[in-house]
Amino acid sequence: DGGITQSPKYLFRKEGQNVTLSCEQNLNHDAMYWYRQDPGQGLRLIYYSQIVNDFQKGDIAEGYSVSREKKESFPLTVTSAQKNPTAFYLCASSFTLTGGNSPLHFGNGTRLTVT
Amino acid sequence: QKEVEQDPGPLSVPEGAIVSLNCTYSNSAFQYFMWYRQYSRKGPELLMYTYSSGNKEDGRFTAQVDKSSKYISLFIRDSQPSDSATYLCAMSDRGDDKIIFGKGTRLHILP
Repeated sequence: DGGITQSPKYLFRKEGQNVTLSCEQNLNHDAMYWYRQDPGQGLRLIYYSQIVNDFQKGDIAEGYSVSREKKESFPLTVTSAQKNPTAFYLCASSFTLTGGNSPLHFGNGTRLTVT
Repeated sequence: QKEVEQDPGPLSVPEGAIVSLNCTYSNSAFQYFMWYRQYSRKGPELLMYTYSSGNKEDGRFTAQVDKSSKYISLFIRDSQPSDSATYLCAMSDRGDDKIIFGKGTRLHILP
């Protein structure tokens, strides 16, 4: 089955530690995205990538970093500089980076808790 | 004024009722309109995707777009307890890379 796999489902870290969230897709999509979802805030775009070795900041990129070394993979690192890292993180992909012309497909998320 | 407005709910309706979910928007350039369904602790899944104005039907779901009023709706007929979820509207224009999401409406279908 084609889809997007995020791992782990739950992640716990101590404050001050960097943590990397995994996202893999086998949909052969060019574009990949990371969103953060907080109660009452909706989805906020962190980073996105149109092609391998290229990525762009979204609306809330501070304290996060990404890499896109392979088409299938787009890991997100939450650094210690991120002030409020506890959230539900969603990875998504689309066939192309053309806004609404190419709907997003989402993974099932990683819930990160930092204490 | 926010780009996309969506009532957060919760909206509770009895099983079998027709559900109407709505979003308003301010950007007249939006041409692509989507509805996503998100179950608790899961990622959103695409339900409906429409381009420009008009209606689109898929089983018990109907999406309507009224660009003159900047208003989109999702209707669910013969609602089931399994329809209980958060429904997110989303939209984009032709040239922009971003898809803008509403904050979602929580829907409870009461057995």
